[in-house]
Amino acid sequence: SAVISQKPSRDICQRGTSLTIQCQVDSQVTMMFWYRQQPGQSLTLIATANQGSEATYESGFVIDKFPISRPNLTFSTLTVSNMSPEDSSIYLCSVEEVGANNEQFFGPGTRLTVL
Amino acid sequence: GENVEQHPSTLSVQEGDSAVIKCTYSDSASNYFPWYKQELGKRPQLIIDIRSNVGEKKDQRIAVTLNKTAKHFSLHITETQPEDSAVYFCAASKTSYDKVIFGPGTSLSVIP
Repeated sequence: SAVISQKPSRDICQRGTSLTIQCQVDSQVTMMFWYRQQPGQSLTLIATANQGSEATYESGFVIDKFPISRPNLTFSTLTVSNMSPEDSSIYLCSVEEVGANNEQFFGPGTRLTVL
Repeated sequence: GENVEQHPSTLSVQEGDSAVIKCTYSDSASNYFPWYKQELGKRPQLIIDIRSNVGEKKDQRIAVTLNKTAKHFSLHITETQPEDSAVYFCAASKTSYDKVIFGPGTSLSVIP
């Protein structure tokens, strides 16, 4: 399966600031997704990152708060804007490879703490 | 939209015993059901999946069953080992290249 990396692996940020998380895949993939995992919780889908067009957001998530880019088939970014302590979480990207038939694999995650 | 429920939320078994985790889903259009294992501090890993045209699938000590009529599916782990201790998530998806919706998770502890 594809090798997925995320940067940064962790960060501590001040409230009111923004952080951009990068997801890089070593091969072209069809689908890229961004999830949030709050401490002790399940994975909640934030949005589907669409190559060359605006991301598709899930209920409760908006573009102004979580702008997403996907300029090509191997790279995506998620920005967490105007952060508050409630945004402290692990953010994970996942990918579905060409021909993978639904199978999704996760990046290592970015642990964000907002003070 | 799709809603996935999972039971139990925590499960403790003796080493060598079996563990069963059950999930239900709401959207009858879902036809792909993966299971992920997440060890502490690590990313979720796909361990097995099942599609709607199959009723059961096995991979060594792990098996999954699917009842499309009742909209539920289960994970069975036999001969459990301490390294099976982790959080297990069931999930559901409709088609290829579609989003995957996760259940709330089951924390499995295998006691040596």
